[in-house]
Amino acid sequence: DAGVTQSPTHLIKTRGQQVTLRCSPKSGHDTVSWYQQALGQGPQFIFQYYEEEERQRGNFPDRFSGHQYPNYSSELNVNALLLGDSALYLCASSLVSVSNSPLHFGNGTRLTVT
Amino acid sequence: AQSVTQLDSQVPVFEEAPVELRCNYSSSVSVYLFWYVQYPNQGLQLLLKYLSGSTLVKGINGFEAEFNKSQTSFHLRKPSVHISDTAEYFCAVTPSGNYKLSFGAGTTVTVRA
Repeated sequence: DAGVTQSPTHLIKTRGQQVTLRCSPKSGHDTVSWYQQALGQGPQFIFQYYEEEERQRGNFPDRFSGHQYPNYSSELNVNALLLGDSALYLCASSLVSVSNSPLHFGNGTRLTVT
Repeated sequence: AQSVTQLDSQVPVFEEAPVELRCNYSSSVSVYLFWYVQYPNQGLQLLLKYLSGSTLVKGINGFEAEFNKSQTSFHLRKPSVHISDTAEYFCAVTPSGNYKLSFGAGTTVTVRA
């Protein structure tokens, strides 16, 4: 049973560029959440997708956008990259129909902006 | 809005000794509480969760936590740690029925022989 998979594992980009990160949820899960974890800090909620729509959003600018596909996989896009966007980006999946379904996290994508 | 404060940023401990990681939260509504562990270069793994009912929650790997509503705390304990417990530990809170987790800054546990 595959868990949450994220790609790529590492990525280096230059300021001003755009990046796309990908996530495949755990088998059977239908909801995907994205978190940003800066070095030495706890994860910060970016947004959550269910039924291909953004359900909730944290305090992140519009440069951060996402998408969910019919197969429940998801993408996180960040435009006009800033140095401060360097972080570990974590994807988590869950099953909305199961009350209190815990989040399952992937191993993350390490983004470095130079 | 909810917030979490982990009172210790680093906790060194000897193997087979007990450990307690402290977590306080603030919220104006009912919340669910979680502890996650993060090993180097990995994602987060759920240790345990409090949703309702008994205030003493048992999790994986011998960890347990106690929910104290009056003190708004959710401290994590393990009676005897192993070298393999060396990791970063995060306390998290979410409004009941919601999946938007708010995490603390983390506590680094280093277990020494």
